[in-house]
This record gives sequence, structure tokens and C-alpha cells, in this order.
Amino acid sequence: GDSVTQMEGPVTLSEEAFLTINCTYTATGYPSLFWYVQYPGEGLQLLLKATKADDKGSNKGFEATYRKETTSFHLEKGSVQVSDSAVYFCALSTGGTSYGKLTFGQGTILTVHP
Amino acid sequence: GAVVSQHPSWVICKSGTSVKIECRSLDFQATTMFWYRQFPKQSLMLMATSNEGSKATYEQGVEKDKFLINHASLTLSTLTVTSAHPEDSSFYICSARTWTDGSRNTIYFGEGSWLTVV
Repeated sequence: GDSVTQMEGPVTLSEEAFLTINCTYTATGYPSLFWYVQYPGEGLQLLLKATKADDKGSNKGFEATYRKETTSFHLEKGSVQVSDSAVYFCALSTGGTSYGKLTFGQGTILTVHP
Repeated sequence: GAVVSQHPSWVICKSGTSVKIECRSLDFQATTMFWYRQFPKQSLMLMATSNEGSKATYEQGVEKDKFLINHASLTLSTLTVTSAHPEDSSFYICSARTWTDGSRNTIYFGEGSWLTVV
């Protein structure tokens, strides 16, 4: 079945540091890939997505590139802020009638210190 | 933009009682909604796919008689936790799928509902 694996956390960084959160996936076919962010006590917010190989999703300084050859969708940000502290989830969804049925990674807790 | 709303955000109920959580799409029609469960500090697990006008499709291991899902209209799906027990305490979150641009699906999540069973 489909699966998503994220790097183990938690991740602790100083403000303005570079961020990478690794994500790899296993899926049949060609899934769409997503990064969601969850702030404490809140629901999920879509951070970015990519729907086909070599697509780059970007939002709020975060980027991730859909790499089919390495089945990866690593999240990066050049300079993190304290406000980026949250839990980040990598997810995939296959197409057709199953689109929207998300398989999530285990989540990575990010803490950014001033 | 499209918004999905869940209600209640927080609910505490006594063991043995039932509790209903609503998921509404506020400005679009959602023929398909999804229900997830998240245990503390863990990932989200899909519980079921809710289809308007038909029975929900449950994931393996999810008790359909315990977690009743009803999708009676194009804007509302409900999850009822029946005979709740403390182990049902969790964060429940829904999402809705909609078409945009005539061909591309978009997924929107609700704010989630915290259930505590005492």
C-alpha cells in the first residue's frame, strides 16, 4: 500500500537557519504530494503541493520539489522564523476517485528559537 | 476561498454516551468528505470516506458501528462516536474535496474537533 516516511524529529533550529525536512514515499501510479502544517491546537493548513514529477511547490518561503527518481518531496526553507514552529506533515494522494484520500507521514515537530 | 467548518471544536462527554461532530463545506458542494483521527503527537489516520447519498467506506480496522458517518447533503457530513469510551478521546478532523478550474481537485480541511471522554 501507499506510505510516506518523514525524517525523525523533533527538529530544533535557531532563527534564520536553513531548514530541510526529508520526505520519501511509496505509491502505485503517480501521486500528488503535499506538505501540511499544523500549529498547536489547530487543524491542518496546506503549505504547498506538487502534482507531477519535477514540479516545485512553494509558499511562504518554503519549497519542495517532486522527485520521481528518488521518490522524494523534501521540504526546505532558507531562513526560518520563530513563527514557523509547528508540526509539518508530508502526504500523498493518488488520483481518480481516490483523490483527496491522504496518506500522511508521521509528522515532524519543528521548534525555532530566537 | 472555500472553507470547511467543523463543530464542535471541543467536546467533553461521559463514557457510554454518543457524540456527533459536524463537518460543513461553507461555500462549495462536497460530494466526498474524509474523516481522520489523530492521537496525541501522532500522525493522522484516515478513518473513512464519506460519500453524499451513499454509505461511507471505512478503512480497515475502523469499527463502522461505533463511528457512524452520515453524508445526507452536499454540504454536511457527520461523524457520531457511539457509546464513547476514554480510548476514543482524540482529535478528529475532516476534509472535503472540491473541483476547481473545471478539472482539478482541491482538498480543504476543517479546523478539527477535540473529543475527551471522561
